[in-house]
Amino acid sequence: AQSVTQPDIHITVSEGASLELRCNYSYGATPYLFWYVQSPGQGLQLLLKYFSGDTLVQGIKGFEAEFKRSQSSFNLRKPSVHWSDAAEYFCAVGRMNTGFQKLVFGTGTRLLVSP
Amino acid sequence: GAVVSQHPSWVICKSGTSVKIECRSLDFQATTMFWYRQFPKQSLMLMATSNEGSKATYEQGVEKDKFLINHASLTLSTLTVTSAHPEDSSFYICSATDAGGPGELFFGEGSRLTVL
Repeated sequence: AQSVTQPDIHITVSEGASLELRCNYSYGATPYLFWYVQSPGQGLQLLLKYFSGDTLVQGIKGFEAEFKRSQSSFNLRKPSVHWSDAAEYFCAVGRMNTGFQKLVFGTGTRLLVSP
Repeated sequence: GAVVSQHPSWVICKSGTSVKIECRSLDFQATTMFWYRQFPKQSLMLMATSNEGSKATYEQGVEKDKFLINHASLTLSTLTVTSAHPEDSSFYICSATDAGGPGELFFGEGSRLTVL
């Protein structure tokens, strides 16, 4: 069965510093991978997704993620964090044979941004 | 992008009562909607898949009679928590697809249910 692990429950980063959020997945075939962001009181917003092709994926708000099959990872990065990036971040993998619309989520990483 | 709206955003009810949560796609037709449950500091767990005009498909371990799902139109799905108990308190989130491609899901803002 598919699973997603986000090993960091929360991370604190200084404003302007770089960011990397870790995500490891377990999946038998080529995965469909996603990163979502959830701000307080709001729904999940898609940051980026990987289906195939270039393993470095660009998303919205200056985020990018790199798919590394050998490490079963799909880490999210941003070169310079803004205070508005403070939120909960979820990595997810699409379940096979469902049109990849049924997602399995990680437990999330809460990002705190310090001044 | 497409907008999905949930109502109410939060609700408090007494134990034993039923609560209905609505999920609407505002600017697209959603043939399929998904209901998730999110526990504090935990991940989103898929509860069921709601298809317009047909019965919902529930994930293993989800009580069908407890969580009634109705997808009466292409823009509305409802989740009714019947005979709610404190352990049903949670954050419920819906998502919808406009069939724009694999994984093209749009999420509602969530509904927080507190059962006293």
